Amino acid sequence: DIVMTQSPDSLAVSLGERATINCKSSQSVLNSSNNRNYLAWYQQKPGQPPKLLIYWASTRESGVPDRFRGSGSGTDFTLTISSLQAEDVAVYYCQQYYSTPPRTFGQGTKVEIK
Amino acid sequence: QVQLQESGPGLVKPSQTLSLTCTVSGDSISSGGYYWTWIRQHPGKGLEWIGYIFYSGSTYYNPSLRSRVSISVDTSKNQFSLKLTSLTAADTAVYYCAREGIGTVGMDVWGQGTTVTVSS
Repeated sequence: DIVMTQSPDSLAVSLGERATINCKSSQSVLNSSNNRNYLAWYQQKPGQPPKLLIYWASTRESGVPDRFRGSGSGTDFTLTISSLQAEDVAVYYCQQYYSTPPRTFGQGTKVEIK
Repeated sequence: QVQLQESGPGLVKPSQTLSLTCTVSGDSISSGGYYWTWIRQHPGKGLEWIGYIFYSGSTYYNPSLRSRVSISVDTSKNQFSLKLTSLTAADTAVYYCAREGIGTVGMDVWGQGTTVTVSS
């Protein structure tokens, strides 16, 4: 199984400041045939299901604000919130959907307001 | 728009079998292009992928649960279902159904989730 490891487990950021979450996979999730990374980011607020933010490591889902940016390739990925808003308080998960299952998620990163 | 809705019992006794159904609206399971997925989340914990099914009936399960899990599809009702046997307290969780685009966007539509408690 591909193990996904996120860092940090939690972070507190001031409103308007940048938040950065890292995700590392135990093996590459880059499909060399189409040069796509099979890596998604989700946001989960309390009492709600996860919401897809980013797919293919850097493509924003429709309706997701452009302050959310995904980057990285191969085994190392980053989710950046460029200017944290109050409504961004949530737990963020990375997930790989590369090749044969099982699909695996990172352990989650809790983002709070400082 | 596409919506998924889980249904099933909220309380199940240890050693019994859990049966949950996910009803899909706004899309046809038979249209192809998607895996229909079950995920669970233990209280205060992260997300655990249980397995998925394609409209044809082909399935893939998490090896950690494979001996106890089965997923089936009823295209006539536009539903897919989860069965988990030999329940213990460790199966207490919120269970979500979701849609995964094959080779595309990941899990783009989720149900609201249903809480299942395993207790006598």
